[in-house]
Amino acid sequence: AQSVTQLDSHVSVSEGTPVLLRCNYSSSYSPSLFWYVQHPNKGLQLLLKYTSAATLVKGINGFEAEFKKSETSFHLTKPSAHMSDAAEYFCVVTPLYNQGGKLIFGQGTELSVKP
Amino acid sequence: DAGVTQSPTHLIKTRGQQVTLRCSPKSGHDTVSWYQQALGQGPQFIFQYYEEEERQRGNFPDRFSGHQFPNYSSELNVNALLLGDSALYLCASSLKRNSGRVTGELFFGEGSRLTVL
Repeated sequence: AQSVTQLDSHVSVSEGTPVLLRCNYSSSYSPSLFWYVQHPNKGLQLLLKYTSAATLVKGINGFEAEFKKSETSFHLTKPSAHMSDAAEYFCVVTPLYNQGGKLIFGQGTELSVKP
Repeated sequence: DAGVTQSPTHLIKTRGQQVTLRCSPKSGHDTVSWYQQALGQGPQFIFQYYEEEERQRGNFPDRFSGHQFPNYSSELNVNALLLGDSALYLCASSLKRNSGRVTGELFFGEGSRLTVL
């Protein structure tokens, strides 16, 4: 079985400061892990994905995440927040052998960015 | 290149009614998945269609059914609507399968927001 736990339901940062969104996962199989972003009234957009290659994954818009097997974590970071980063972020897990199959989403973290 | 398109964008139904939601996948994609996103929650997998057959199913009752057409477009049908079916319904399409597996990114549509009164 797979599951993800997003440790914060809401994170608030000031523009220009670092962003850290935390995610722990549980998986019976080698996992494939993703971060998706959802802006208000918009569909989900893939930020980045981990598929057992490099443990540090770089995504779009300056985001990156590090896969830490020993900690079962896949935290999302960005060095400097921008106002346009304000959105809902979802950590997602699926078995590596079936990346395009059933995705298991976390509950989401709402990121607010203050001017 | 059109992405994933869904219709209608919003609709209101009453309890007991039936609803059909539609999805056209991204050009070149042949696999369609449906997700339900309740307010304040992460999306939950309903089912996936490939080659006009349901391939995987999440923990949803039989009231939820689907169909995939030869042009890869898909419909989600929900019968006997309940208040709890109010949600954003998301369609996602996938790159063509390689050796029987779906690989790569899922592309999501903007969803159909269903309100059940």
